[in-house]
Amino acid sequence: AQKITQTQPGMFVQEKEAVTLDCTYDTSDQSYGLFWYKQPSSGEMIFLIYQGSYDEQNATEGRYSLNFQKARKSANLVISASQLGDSAMYFCAMREGRDGGYQKVTFGTGTKLQVIP
Amino acid sequence: GAGVSQSPRYKVAKRGQDVALRCDPISGHVSLFWYQQALGQGPEFLTYFQNEAQLDKSGLPSDRFFAERPEGSVSTLKIQRTQQEDSAVYLCASSVQGIGRTEAFFGQGTRLTVV
Repeated sequence: AQKITQTQPGMFVQEKEAVTLDCTYDTSDQSYGLFWYKQPSSGEMIFLIYQGSYDEQNATEGRYSLNFQKARKSANLVISASQLGDSAMYFCAMREGRDGGYQKVTFGTGTKLQVIP
Repeated sequence: GAGVSQSPRYKVAKRGQDVALRCDPISGHVSLFWYQQALGQGPEFLTYFQNEAQLDKSGLPSDRFFAERPEGSVSTLKIQRTQQEDSAVYLCASSVQGIGRTEAFFGQGTRLTVV
């Protein structure tokens, strides 16, 4: 079974509009972390936002927010006021494992976001 | 340096040749990961080190792949007798250990092309 599922291979959004990128995950751990990364065409992986499994509030980082629904095991990324520079691949990732012990980070297959002027 | 450094950035190998890819993580980072990323795909986990201990090598695709981190800092991923299907970007990442926000910081990757 896939640990991280991103069901949208590609998305389009109009500049200045908001967009939601979907991510669902599967784990039996009680303590885990969820991350979103951006990968522009240049190839570097850029960390965007983090949500801990015990965090009660949804994480926000500037124009990025994470819609965390623990019971549904979803961690969708919301980008507000899209900019042309947001065009990139976006990956959802999960860290599992015992705190202080082995912690594995698994990635989804990604969503390619294209912002239209 | 301040970030994760990988070398070489690009490597072209003839089929059957051995290659060695180097990763210099952020100083003090306990965890080190290697990933393989095919074109248009997400990073696929290869192996994980906690300091010098290789705790998980379940993602290594064959016994031609070998990774080490002998002193708990620099790591090398070695591929023996390269095949065309080994062509990919190899990403190294490091992170601190512990609870809370422990995002992995990535290097720029090594693009391996086997011809």
